[in-house]
Amino acid sequence: EPEVTQTPSHQVTQMGQEVILRCVPISNHLYFYWYRQILGQKVEFLVSFYNNEISEKSEIFDDQFSVERPDGSNFTLKIRSTKLEDSAMYFCASLRVSSTEAFFGQGTRLTVV
Amino acid sequence: AQRVTQPEKLLSVFKGAPVELKCNYSYSGSPELFWYVQYSRQRLQLLLRHISRESIKGFTADLNKGETSFHLKKPFAQEEDSAMYYCALRGSNFGNEKLTFGTGTRLTIIP
Repeated sequence: EPEVTQTPSHQVTQMGQEVILRCVPISNHLYFYWYRQILGQKVEFLVSFYNNEISEKSEIFDDQFSVERPDGSNFTLKIRSTKLEDSAMYFCASLRVSSTEAFFGQGTRLTVV
Repeated sequence: AQRVTQPEKLLSVFKGAPVELKCNYSYSGSPELFWYVQYSRQRLQLLLRHISRESIKGFTADLNKGETSFHLKKPFAQEEDSAMYYCALRGSNFGNEKLTFGTGTRLTIIP
């Protein structure tokens, strides 16, 4: 069964450094998302992406964040200058057109020290 | 604004006993409601959605628009049901609208 794949599974970075989280969505899906979950809190929406542009973004998704689909398979989330409060589990998800079932990746745990 | 509330962070139930995980929502239109489950060390996966009106792994959930609830139920709990359960809402205005999650309920089945 096809899966959404995220790399790395765990990333430790120093405050102020740039990080790129990578996702490979399911191949025939066209809608892509990033969510995050701070430890002990709810899963929060960050951004949705369709047709090579951002469809919607939350208040969390400020100028420090960017997303990109650099080729036909990868979908990346970049945090330009990480802060301690960016430490969280980051989930990528994808959705097929005319479906309501979002498929999630296994997540990347980002730890900012 | 849309919101999902799961009042119980933790729920422990004996094996064979009935399970009910509560979910209430607020949304001005007609939302789609989902239950996602996350087993230990696994990814979030869809358990069921209200439009399908199906039973998955013995679980059912009925959308009650009057009470704005979408409680998840199972008549007889099994040990493999232990997991984190998230209720989620999706507005129906756009085809690819985001999911809004509740805070989750950790269900533990006591053998």
